[in-house]
Amino acid sequence: AQTVTQSQPEMSVQEAETVTLSCTYDTSESDYYLFWYKQPPSRQMILVIRQEAYKQQNATENRFSVNFQKAAKSFSLKISDSQLGDAAMYFCARLPHTGANSKLTFGKGITLSVRP
Amino acid sequence: NAGVTQTPKFRILKIGQSMTLQCTQDMNHNYMYWYRQDPGMGLKLIYYSVGAGITDKGEVPNGYNVSRSTTEDFPLRLELAAPSQTSVYFCASTFGQTTEAFFGQGTRLTVV
Repeated sequence: AQTVTQSQPEMSVQEAETVTLSCTYDTSESDYYLFWYKQPPSRQMILVIRQEAYKQQNATENRFSVNFQKAAKSFSLKISDSQLGDAAMYFCARLPHTGANSKLTFGKGITLSVRP
Repeated sequence: NAGVTQTPKFRILKIGQSMTLQCTQDMNHNYMYWYRQDPGMGLKLIYYSVGAGITDKGEVPNGYNVSRSTTEDFPLRLELAAPSQTSVYFCASTFGQTTEAFFGQGTRLTVV
């Protein structure tokens, strides 16, 4: 099975500091999309950032950026200037771009806490 | 635009009862998914559909059934509820393979 692995179950960061959440994945496709989703206590799944595998440039959205290493199949999320509202579960996900039956696959998630 | 609408938000079932979780999207998305989220286990794919009339099993399909008679609707059916089906269920949709998934607000189901 092609998997997405988030090996850290929990992380903690001081407010205003920077934190990096790790994700690795297994895939046989050359073209795919990678995502980070945030799930606050409200349960709503919120897209944080998206990376297209064919693009070499790392995606950035305000305080959120990724370090995409295609050869290493690694996709980490960096949160700069952490805020209390960043506390949530974060999920890494992969969506192949080829094949009629491509499936969106998630990692187990990581719980991020932010210390004031 | 409502996006993805899931109903109900909460439900308690007795063992052996059946129910249908409803999911509707108004974005004309062709791909739709059902996930369950257990504590500490992330999201596991139950069933998915790549278009009306086409469904396929995910990682954990046992005990569930789906249908996709229209582009908009993708209901999930539990025929004989079991305590192992206690979970939070999410419906999601995407437009092809090029966009992020949009999620419903989830259904917290408890089987007692």
